[in-house]
Amino acid sequence: QQQVKQSPQSLIVQKGGISIINCAYENTAFDYFPWYQQFPGKGPALLIAIRPDVSEKKEGRFTISFNKSAKQFSLHIMDSQPGDSATYFCAASWTSGSRLTFGEGTQLTVNP
Amino acid sequence: DGGITQSPKYLFRKEGQNVTLSCEQNLNHDAMYWYRQDPGQGLRLIYYSQIVNDFQKGDIAEGYSVSREKKESFPLTVTSAQKNPTAFYLCASSIHIGGGGNQPQHFGDGTRLSIL
Repeated sequence: QQQVKQSPQSLIVQKGGISIINCAYENTAFDYFPWYQQFPGKGPALLIAIRPDVSEKKEGRFTISFNKSAKQFSLHIMDSQPGDSATYFCAASWTSGSRLTFGEGTQLTVNP
Repeated sequence: DGGITQSPKYLFRKEGQNVTLSCEQNLNHDAMYWYRQDPGQGLRLIYYSQIVNDFQKGDIAEGYSVSREKKESFPLTVTSAQKNPTAFYLCASSIHIGGGGNQPQHFGDGTRLSIL
């Protein structure tokens, strides 16, 4: 019930294309869903986050889509750039605690 | 600049040796966390602390120990009981509002631990 499943494990996209990363969760108590971006040798940095009272949140080229009934959420990167090449992690937590449960990560490569 | 400082960046451990990883934050955050990162396994929670002098085990606490004597510091000791310690260790912190969560976690740049 604590797991967050993330796919794909790796993704290669051409510059200007759309990158899509998917996550699924089991615990219906989760109510906070952040995405983190990690560059090699660095710690993850918060990219964007969503709560289940909305179905979509957009910040610049990054959009989270959330499907509460399916218990799934996804990250869309529009107009992908080589500088977006990094590892992306989805995560989830619930209101009564501060622990985050992370997905396994997706290594994104954007070719020029 | 406010942030989280982890040291050292690289650390080598001999068999049977305990090693301590440092994590210091000047963000005035209440909560601090230690994660272990292995390829293809995401981040797994080792220990976390929501307040000084208190901490809780995460999902993979065996072979590790922590202390939280000061708000800004949360050192992690990898003991000789941890038989597979080679990994990238990440420290994080967040504001902790009593009884609630959902606050962004800010991460340091990690310590890479290897076995000699």
